[in-house]
Amino acid sequence: ETGVTQTPRHLVMGMTNKKSLKCEQHLGHNAMYWYKQSAKKPLELMFVYSLEERVENNSVPSRFSPECPNSSHLFLHLHTLQPEDSALYLCASSHSAGTTNYGYTFGSGTRLTVV
Amino acid sequence: GDSVTQMEGPVTLSEEAFLTINCTYTATGYPSLFWYVQYPGEGLQLLLKATKADDKGSNKGFEATYRKETTSFHLEKGSVQVSDSAVYFCALSGIDKLIFGTGTRLQVFP
Repeated sequence: ETGVTQTPRHLVMGMTNKKSLKCEQHLGHNAMYWYKQSAKKPLELMFVYSLEERVENNSVPSRFSPECPNSSHLFLHLHTLQPEDSALYLCASSHSAGTTNYGYTFGSGTRLTVV
Repeated sequence: GDSVTQMEGPVTLSEEAFLTINCTYTATGYPSLFWYVQYPGEGLQLLLKATKADDKGSNKGFEATYRKETTSFHLEKGSVQVSDSAVYFCALSGIDKLIFGTGTRLQVFP
């Protein structure tokens, strides 16, 4: 039990579909993150939320749309994706966005395949 | 800016061999240092951490010592098992985010 739960674990979607990834944490953390992990590439930080407010968006294409309705839940809405968007999407949380000394807690990820 | 450099993999070892995965860092100030492990099909799990110079983090037989003089945080284990096969990430606490290395794949064969 990592404390951060991601659903679904696997997702296959066509390029015209719309789907959402969900992340939930009950660790009392105030910051949440989306990462993209592609084969043979470094971890890519996509979005950072602090107290439900987006504080960082690393030039991510608009076909990825995050939502953070409260400090325990984070969504990544997907639409008109491309095959190169196939990757493992990881959610993480931490005590706060400005305090990194405690590290992050990661979920198990959603393996996304775009066909 | 802050950065982490890890040795490239894969590292291939026989069971019970000694493991070292090198990690060096560049940072302003005094960051905390971490090792994360990612097993196949899973997310990253915190393996160990150290918060100040000369601290030793340890967990599951793995150890790493925060060496400020050499800006290093090398991961070691005296006797690896097949179940240790995974990708290992070194990271440091940056000003507003964790800074990760590129990961080192470890393959252990019986």
